[in-house]
Amino acid sequence: AQKVTQAQTEISVVEKEDVTLDCVYETRDTTYYLFWYKQPPSGELVFLIRRNSFDEQNEISGRYSWNFQKSTSSFNFTITASQVVDSAVYFCALSEAGGGSYIPTFGRGTSLIVHP
Amino acid sequence: KAGVTQTPRYLIKTRGQQVTLSCSPISGHRSVSWYQQTPGQGLQFLFEYFSETQRNKGNFPGRFSGRQFSNSRSEMNVSTLELGDSALYLCASSLASGASYEQYFGPGTRLTVT
Repeated sequence: AQKVTQAQTEISVVEKEDVTLDCVYETRDTTYYLFWYKQPPSGELVFLIRRNSFDEQNEISGRYSWNFQKSTSSFNFTITASQVVDSAVYFCALSEAGGGSYIPTFGRGTSLIVHP
Repeated sequence: KAGVTQTPRYLIKTRGQQVTLSCSPISGHRSVSWYQQTPGQGLQFLFEYFSETQRNKGNFPGRFSGRQFSNSRSEMNVSTLELGDSALYLCASSLASGASYEQYFGPGTRLTVT
């Protein structure tokens, strides 16, 4: 069975601080996808990144970066120089990837509060 | 390009009733997925439809069903509503089925069961 753990329920930071959101996953599949989504107060989930299990390269997109480590089954997300607009709930998700399958398992989410 | 739209946005139903939620995907997208979000269970995958066929299904009872029409619009139905069905129901569309396709989410339908 798949499992995603986001141990941090809530993180509170002051603007311009760097913050890392942790995600640890469990799966027996060798081929899978990992995702991060952002859910602002409006409620609409926003896709941030997808990474497949064969691609352990870290990725940077502006102030966002992701660190994927299969050895520790982790896919952590860092926001550099946080801004108030980054305040949201962030979800990590895992899905097997074979044969067009997409049955994601989500973590419980981490609520990020960025204070001005 | 218009985004994913969901109707209605808010709904109040009584226990035992049934409800139908609607989702219109982004033009050209053929896959529609449904999710339930509750404070207790978090975000859970319900099912995915692609080309009018259910492709993937989460672990939900048979009271939860859906369908997709030839124009890719999708409906989700919940019969014999229970208090625990109160949730935000999110719909997402993508070009095709599978984890390699980016999903675009709608604003959700908030269902309250009394």
